[in-house]
Amino acid sequence: GAVVSQHPSRVICKSGTSVKIECRSLDFQATTMFWYRQFPKQSLMLMATSNEGSKATYEQGVEKDKFLINHASLTLSTLTVTSAHPEDSSFYICSALSGTLRQETQYFGPGTRLLVL
Amino acid sequence: GQSLEQPSEVTAVEGAIVQINCTYQTSGFYGLSWYQQHDGGAPTFLSYNGLDGLEETGRFSSFLSRSDSYGYLLLQELQMKDSASYFCAVYLAGNRDDKIIFGKGTRLHILP
Repeated sequence: GAVVSQHPSRVICKSGTSVKIECRSLDFQATTMFWYRQFPKQSLMLMATSNEGSKATYEQGVEKDKFLINHASLTLSTLTVTSAHPEDSSFYICSALSGTLRQETQYFGPGTRLLVL
Repeated sequence: GQSLEQPSEVTAVEGAIVQINCTYQTSGFYGLSWYQQHDGGAPTFLSYNGLDGLEETGRFSSFLSRSDSYGYLLLQELQMKDSASYFCAVYLAGNRDDKIIFGKGTRLHILP
């Protein structure tokens, strides 16, 4: 299957700093990438849908100014958690697909575990 | 709003069969999928049902009834490595983008 990578896999930062997470599709061009957040023992919550070259579509309740998403190329999307606080500590997972959800399955990255002290 | 219901936990014995149910109330529904997630890992895709009926992939089968807004995942010949969380997820058509919404997950415990 297709390969999606995320970097970093784990990050610990101080409260108030910003953290950038990269999501790359390694062997296909991802027209769409999704960003999810998962708290311990809970479900994956869709944060935003990112299409290459256009603004991300955020889910209700997700602050677009806090979670900055950039999908500058067909193989890279970044999520920046600005002014991170301890309540932002979570498992952030991206997924990517090369077509539309009606045509393709989405491929998940391995996730980034963020701990804000 | 959108909602998905699945049991929070299920326990079964190694070698047995287990069924995990999922009911949903959504708008724009066009498909149901199942994902497996081991502790600390990312979800992995198991199956997709776009039409009513049963889809079989090895030891795993998935069923969908659109009229009942209901689906299930059937795991046969359970193995210890099947201990994981299983999420049902619905595919929803949007004005701009389609998206997938996940259920809360079912933790499957397998006893030797």
